[in-house]
Amino acid sequence: DSGVTQTPKHLITATGQRVTLRCSPRSGDLSVYWYQQSLDQGLQFLIQYYNGEERAKGNILERFSAQQFPDLHSELNLSSLELGDSALYFCASSVAPGESGYTFGSGTRLTVV
Amino acid sequence: AQSVTQLGSHVSVSEGALVLLRCNYSSSVPPYLFWYVQYPNQGLQLLLKYTTGATLVKGINGFEAEFKKSETSFHLTKPSAHMSDAAEYFCAVSARIRSFGNEKLTFGTGTRLTIIP
Repeated sequence: DSGVTQTPKHLITATGQRVTLRCSPRSGDLSVYWYQQSLDQGLQFLIQYYNGEERAKGNILERFSAQQFPDLHSELNLSSLELGDSALYFCASSVAPGESGYTFGSGTRLTVV
Repeated sequence: AQSVTQLGSHVSVSEGALVLLRCNYSSSVPPYLFWYVQYPNQGLQLLLKYTTGATLVKGINGFEAEFKKSETSFHLTKPSAHMSDAAEYFCAVSARIRSFGNEKLTFGTGTRLTIIP
Protein backbone atom coordinates (compact mmCIF):
# COMPACT_ATOMS: atom_id res chain seq x y z
CA ASP A 1 0.00 0.00 0.00
CA SER A 2 1.64 3.20 -1.20
CA GLY A 3 -0.58 5.48 0.87
CA VAL A 4 -2.14 7.06 -2.22
CA THR A 5 -5.72 5.83 -2.64
CA GLN A 6 -7.55 5.90 -5.92
CA THR A 7 -11.17 4.98 -6.47
CA PRO A 8 -12.71 3.31 -8.26
CA LYS A 9 -10.20 0.72 -9.48
CA HIS A 10 -12.21 -0.07 -12.57
CA LEU A 11 -14.82 1.91 -14.45
CA ILE A 12 -16.75 0.95 -17.57
CA THR A 13 -18.92 3.59 -19.16
CA ALA A 14 -20.44 4.53 -22.49
CA THR A 15 -19.32 7.16 -24.93
CA GLY A 16 -20.65 10.62 -24.18
CA GLN A 17 -20.87 10.00 -20.47
CA ARG A 18 -19.12 11.79 -17.61
CA VAL A 19 -17.12 10.15 -14.82
CA THR A 20 -15.26 11.29 -11.74
CA LEU A 21 -12.07 9.70 -10.51
CA ARG A 22 -11.00 10.27 -6.94
CA CYS A 23 -7.59 10.41 -5.32
CA SER A 24 -6.54 10.72 -1.68
CA PRO A 25 -2.86 11.65 -1.38
CA ARG A 26 -0.42 10.20 1.10
CA SER A 27 -0.75 11.77 4.52
CA GLY A 28 1.21 15.03 4.64
CA ASP A 29 1.61 15.37 0.87
CA LEU A 30 0.33 18.65 -0.48
CA SER A 31 0.89 18.10 -4.19
CA VAL A 32 -1.31 15.88 -6.32
CA TYR A 33 -0.57 14.92 -9.91
CA TRP A 34 -2.76 13.20 -12.48
CA TYR A 35 -1.39 11.05 -15.28
CA GLN A 36 -2.98 9.18 -18.14
CA GLN A 37 -1.34 5.99 -19.39
CA SER A 38 -2.38 4.35 -22.62
CA LEU A 39 -0.67 1.87 -24.92
CA ASP A 40 -0.15 4.35 -27.74
CA GLN A 41 0.59 7.51 -25.72
CA GLY A 42 2.58 6.17 -22.80
CA LEU A 43 2.58 8.07 -19.50
CA GLN A 44 1.12 11.54 -20.05
CA PHE A 45 1.09 14.26 -17.39
CA LEU A 46 -2.31 15.88 -17.12
CA ILE A 47 -2.36 18.35 -14.24
CA GLN A 48 -0.85 19.21 -10.85
CA TYR A 49 -2.42 20.74 -7.77
CA TYR A 50 -0.63 22.06 -4.73
CA ASN A 51 -2.58 22.76 -1.56
CA GLY A 52 -5.77 23.43 -3.50
CA GLU A 53 -4.26 25.50 -6.27
CA GLU A 54 -3.60 24.44 -9.84
CA ARG A 55 0.17 24.59 -10.41
CA ALA A 56 0.91 22.98 -13.73
CA LYS A 57 -0.99 21.75 -16.75
CA GLY A 58 0.12 19.13 -19.18
CA ASN A 59 -1.68 17.45 -22.01
CA ILE A 60 -5.12 17.75 -20.49
CA LEU A 61 -8.09 17.95 -22.81
CA GLU A 62 -10.70 20.68 -22.39
CA ARG A 63 -13.25 17.93 -21.69
CA PHE A 64 -11.24 17.03 -18.60
CA SER A 65 -11.05 19.04 -15.41
CA ALA A 66 -9.73 18.53 -11.92
CA GLN A 67 -9.75 20.09 -8.51
CA GLN A 68 -8.16 19.63 -5.12
CA PHE A 69 -10.33 20.08 -2.07
CA PRO A 70 -9.45 21.57 1.35
CA ASP A 71 -8.87 18.08 2.75
CA LEU A 72 -6.34 17.66 -0.09
CA HIS A 73 -8.13 14.88 -1.92
CA SER A 74 -8.47 15.46 -5.62
CA GLU A 75 -10.99 14.58 -8.29
CA LEU A 76 -10.49 14.26 -12.02
CA ASN A 77 -13.63 14.81 -14.06
CA LEU A 78 -13.82 13.38 -17.55
CA SER A 79 -16.77 14.37 -19.70
CA SER A 80 -18.13 13.67 -23.18
CA LEU A 81 -16.12 10.49 -23.09
CA GLU A 82 -14.73 9.01 -26.27
CA LEU A 83 -13.37 5.55 -26.99
CA GLY A 84 -9.88 7.02 -27.05
CA ASP A 85 -10.17 8.09 -23.43
CA SER A 86 -9.92 4.46 -22.37
CA ALA A 87 -6.74 4.29 -20.32
CA LEU A 88 -5.23 3.90 -16.89
CA TYR A 89 -5.44 7.10 -14.88
CA PHE A 90 -2.91 7.50 -12.11
CA CYS A 91 -2.75 9.90 -9.26
CA ALA A 92 0.54 10.64 -7.49
CA SER A 93 1.43 12.81 -4.54
CA SER A 94 4.58 14.39 -3.18
CA VAL A 95 5.74 16.48 -0.25
CA ALA A 96 9.23 17.89 -0.60
CA PRO A 97 10.38 20.05 -3.50
CA GLY A 98 11.87 17.43 -5.75
CA GLU A 99 13.95 15.04 -3.73
CA SER A 100 11.31 12.62 -2.56
CA GLY A 101 9.86 11.92 -5.97
CA TYR A 102 6.26 10.94 -6.34
CA THR A 103 4.21 8.24 -4.69
CA PHE A 104 1.74 6.69 -7.08
CA GLY A 105 -1.64 5.18 -6.50
CA SER A 106 -2.63 1.91 -8.14
CA GLY A 107 -4.70 3.68 -10.76
CA THR A 108 -8.21 3.66 -12.18
CA ARG A 109 -8.74 1.65 -15.34
CA LEU A 110 -11.32 3.44 -17.46
CA THR A 111 -12.96 1.58 -20.32
CA VAL A 112 -15.22 3.55 -22.62
CA VAL A 113 -17.53 1.38 -24.74
CA ALA B 1 14.03 22.45 -18.16
CA GLN B 2 14.66 18.74 -17.69
CA SER B 3 14.29 15.81 -20.02
CA VAL B 4 15.01 12.11 -19.97
CA THR B 5 15.87 9.71 -22.76
CA GLN B 6 15.56 5.98 -22.23
CA LEU B 7 17.44 4.02 -24.85
CA GLY B 8 15.54 0.97 -25.95
CA SER B 9 11.80 0.69 -25.49
CA HIS B 10 12.14 -3.09 -25.17
CA VAL B 11 14.98 -5.06 -23.62
CA SER B 12 15.16 -8.84 -23.34
CA VAL B 13 17.64 -10.69 -21.17
CA SER B 14 18.02 -14.30 -20.14
CA GLU B 15 17.31 -15.33 -16.59
CA GLY B 16 20.51 -14.98 -14.62
CA ALA B 17 22.07 -12.50 -17.03
CA LEU B 18 23.00 -8.89 -16.39
CA VAL B 19 20.22 -6.33 -16.68
CA LEU B 20 21.22 -2.92 -18.06
CA LEU B 21 18.60 -0.27 -18.74
CA ARG B 22 19.92 3.00 -20.07
CA CYS B 23 18.85 6.48 -19.09
CA ASN B 24 20.34 9.81 -20.12
CA TYR B 25 19.09 13.07 -18.73
CA SER B 26 19.27 16.72 -19.56
CA SER B 27 19.01 19.32 -16.85
CA SER B 28 20.03 22.95 -16.56
CA VAL B 29 20.49 22.55 -12.81
CA PRO B 30 21.80 19.68 -10.67
CA PRO B 31 19.17 16.98 -10.87
CA TYR B 32 17.44 14.50 -8.68
CA LEU B 33 17.15 11.19 -10.55
CA PHE B 34 14.75 8.30 -10.08
CA TRP B 35 13.93 4.88 -11.40
CA TYR B 36 10.40 3.56 -11.11
CA VAL B 37 9.08 0.08 -11.89
CA GLN B 38 5.58 -0.75 -13.06
CA TYR B 39 4.30 -4.31 -12.92
CA PRO B 40 1.29 -5.22 -15.06
CA ASN B 41 -1.91 -3.49 -13.98
CA GLN B 42 -0.18 -1.73 -11.12
CA GLY B 43 0.99 1.77 -10.33
CA LEU B 44 4.57 2.99 -10.52
CA GLN B 45 6.76 2.02 -7.59
CA LEU B 46 9.97 3.78 -6.66
CA LEU B 47 13.01 1.53 -7.21
CA LEU B 48 15.74 3.94 -6.23
CA LYS B 49 16.73 7.58 -6.32
CA TYR B 50 19.79 9.77 -6.43
CA THR B 51 19.59 13.05 -4.56
CA THR B 52 23.04 13.79 -3.23
CA GLY B 53 26.15 12.06 -1.91
CA ALA B 54 27.25 8.66 -3.16
CA THR B 55 26.80 8.33 -6.89
CA LEU B 56 26.15 4.59 -6.76
CA VAL B 57 22.66 4.13 -5.45
CA LYS B 58 21.19 0.84 -4.32
CA GLY B 59 17.51 0.15 -4.53
CA ILE B 60 15.00 -2.58 -3.93
CA ASN B 61 15.08 -6.05 -5.49
CA GLY B 62 18.85 -5.96 -6.08
CA PHE B 63 18.83 -3.05 -8.52
CA GLU B 64 21.35 -0.26 -8.48
CA ALA B 65 22.13 2.80 -10.58
CA GLU B 66 25.13 5.05 -10.94
CA PHE B 67 24.92 8.80 -11.45
CA LYS B 68 27.57 9.89 -13.93
CA LYS B 69 27.55 13.63 -14.29
CA SER B 70 30.16 13.68 -17.06
CA GLU B 71 28.02 11.34 -19.15
CA THR B 72 24.66 12.74 -17.97
CA SER B 73 23.60 9.18 -17.38
CA PHE B 74 21.79 7.21 -14.71
CA HIS B 75 21.76 3.63 -15.98
CA LEU B 76 19.96 0.92 -14.03
CA THR B 77 21.64 -2.45 -13.50
CA LYS B 78 21.07 -5.76 -11.80
CA PRO B 79 23.75 -8.47 -11.83
CA SER B 80 21.40 -11.41 -12.29
CA ALA B 81 17.93 -11.18 -13.81
CA HIS B 82 15.01 -12.98 -12.24
CA MET B 83 11.71 -13.83 -13.87
CA SER B 84 9.96 -11.51 -11.42
CA ASP B 85 11.90 -8.54 -12.83
CA ALA B 86 9.74 -8.55 -15.96
CA ALA B 87 8.07 -5.15 -15.88
CA GLU B 88 8.22 -1.66 -17.35
CA TYR B 89 10.88 0.67 -16.01
CA PHE B 90 10.75 4.44 -16.05
CA CYS B 91 13.60 6.85 -15.50
CA ALA B 92 12.69 10.31 -14.21
CA VAL B 93 14.42 13.59 -13.43
CA SER B 94 13.51 16.44 -11.13
CA ALA B 95 15.18 19.81 -10.60
CA ARG B 96 16.73 20.80 -7.31
CA ILE B 97 14.39 23.60 -6.33
CA ARG B 98 13.47 24.92 -2.97
CA SER B 99 9.99 26.24 -3.58
CA PHE B 100 7.16 24.03 -2.49
CA GLY B 101 4.54 23.17 -5.02
CA ASN B 102 6.80 23.68 -8.00
CA GLU B 103 8.47 20.30 -8.04
CA LYS B 104 8.00 18.46 -11.29
CA LEU B 105 9.11 15.00 -12.24
CA THR B 106 9.79 14.43 -15.92
CA PHE B 107 9.49 10.81 -17.00
CA GLY B 108 11.12 8.92 -19.81
CA THR B 109 9.04 6.86 -22.21
CA GLY B 110 9.78 3.63 -20.39
CA THR B 111 11.61 0.39 -21.13
CA ARG B 112 9.78 -2.89 -21.10
CA LEU B 113 12.01 -5.61 -19.68
CA THR B 114 11.36 -9.21 -20.73
CA ILE B 115 13.12 -12.09 -19.03
CA ILE B 116 13.79 -15.17 -21.13
CA PRO B 117 13.69 -18.46 -19.17
